[in-house]
Amino acid sequence: AQTVTQSQPEMSVQEAETVTLSCTYDTSENNYYLFWYKQPPSRQMILVIRQEAYKQQNATENRFSVNFQKAAKSFSLKISDSQLGDTAMYFCAFMKSYSASKIIFGSGTRLSIRP
Amino acid sequence: DAGVTQSPTHLIKTRGQHVTLRCSPISGHKSVSWYQQVLGQGPQFIFQYYEKEERGRGNFPDRFSARQFPNYSSELNVNALLLGDSALYLCASSFNLIGQRENTEAFFGQGTRLTVV
Repeated sequence: AQTVTQSQPEMSVQEAETVTLSCTYDTSENNYYLFWYKQPPSRQMILVIRQEAYKQQNATENRFSVNFQKAAKSFSLKISDSQLGDTAMYFCAFMKSYSASKIIFGSGTRLSIRP
Repeated sequence: DAGVTQSPTHLIKTRGQHVTLRCSPISGHKSVSWYQQVLGQGPQFIFQYYEKEERGRGNFPDRFSARQFPNYSSELNVNALLLGDSALYLCASSFNLIGQRENTEAFFGQGTRLTVV
């Protein structure tokens, strides 16, 4: 069975600072995806960034980047130049590929950006 | 473009009652998944439907059931409600089955907040 662990329940940084959210996962699968989702107070789960396990290059989307360490089963999210609108719950998630699957979420990190 | 729409947005039910939650996927998407998110936790997988057939089920009791209609919309039904069923219920739509390599992105709705009293 796959598990996703987020060990930081809450984080708070000043606007414009850089923040890193941690995530570890456990799986025996070789083909999978990892995700970071953002859930603002509006409740809608929004995909922030996606990493395919077979790709060695870390994914980047504007101010968001990941540090994917496959051997260590670690998948952290770095947010650069943080903005007030980044305040939200952030969930790390895992999904097997090449078969009907499901998304397995971690317990989340509540990120607050202070003005 | 219309995203995933869920109704109702909020609902209060009494223990023992039955509830039906509804989800309309993004136009062209054939798969719908349901997730339960208890306060303070990450979402937990309940069901996935594709082309009107159940293609995956999470570890939930038989009180939970779902179906998908020919227009790909879906209903989640919960019988004999318990206080522990209070949660945000999220619907996600995707073009294909979640897990296939192409079109793997799942788009989530804003959820239905169910409170059981």
